[in-house]
Amino acid sequence: GENVEQHPSTLSVQEGDSAVIKCTYSDSASNYFPWYKQELGKGPQLIIDIRSNVGEKKDQRIAVTLNKTAKHFSLHITETQPEDSAVYFCAASKASGTYKYIFGTGTRLKVLA
Amino acid sequence: NAGVTQTPKFRILKIGQSMTLQCTQDMNHNYMYWYRQDPGMGLKLIYYSVGAGITDKGEVPNGYNVSRSTTEDFPLRLELAAPSQTSVYFCASSPMGQGVTDTQYFGPGTRLTVL
Repeated sequence: GENVEQHPSTLSVQEGDSAVIKCTYSDSASNYFPWYKQELGKGPQLIIDIRSNVGEKKDQRIAVTLNKTAKHFSLHITETQPEDSAVYFCAASKASGTYKYIFGTGTRLKVLA
Repeated sequence: NAGVTQTPKFRILKIGQSMTLQCTQDMNHNYMYWYRQDPGMGLKLIYYSVGAGITDKGEVPNGYNVSRSTTEDFPLRLELAAPSQTSVYFCASSPMGQGVTDTQYFGPGTRLTVL
């Protein structure tokens, strides 16, 4: 069945360093890839997304890259700050009429001051 | 806009009890979803709806029921609660198919414990 693998499950970085989280998807028909940030006790919030017709997208300190051939996409956070500490989820979706997401298992990011 | 709201925030049930988790969105989105999130895991889709009167099963529908009588509301019903249903439940909505975006917007969640 459809699957999204996400690595690493936990990641600790020093404040100011970069963080990279990677996801691999199984369904080659997937064409939409959002990233969500979930803070403790809250619902997931979209931070960035990318479509399959684009290889890279950037929004200030956050960027996402997509490699359709290898079926993987990555979240890059530069100049990390303590407020970046949270759980990050990737997801994959396809325009099949139901637009269901398949989520990765999450990465807990800790930014050490 | 309040976005997606969920009630209650927390609930403890005894085995065999029933309850309804409420979800309301004020963004006029046609798609709505219910997910459960178990510790250390991603979100699993329970049920979804593509519009009022239309619902369908997701990955883990057993033990749950839904209805969608209006665009705004998408309640999730638990019948005969079991300890395996202890989880955090998230409702989401999306303007899919409305020519805007595929993004799903999530509510704050309901933490349910079944003892």
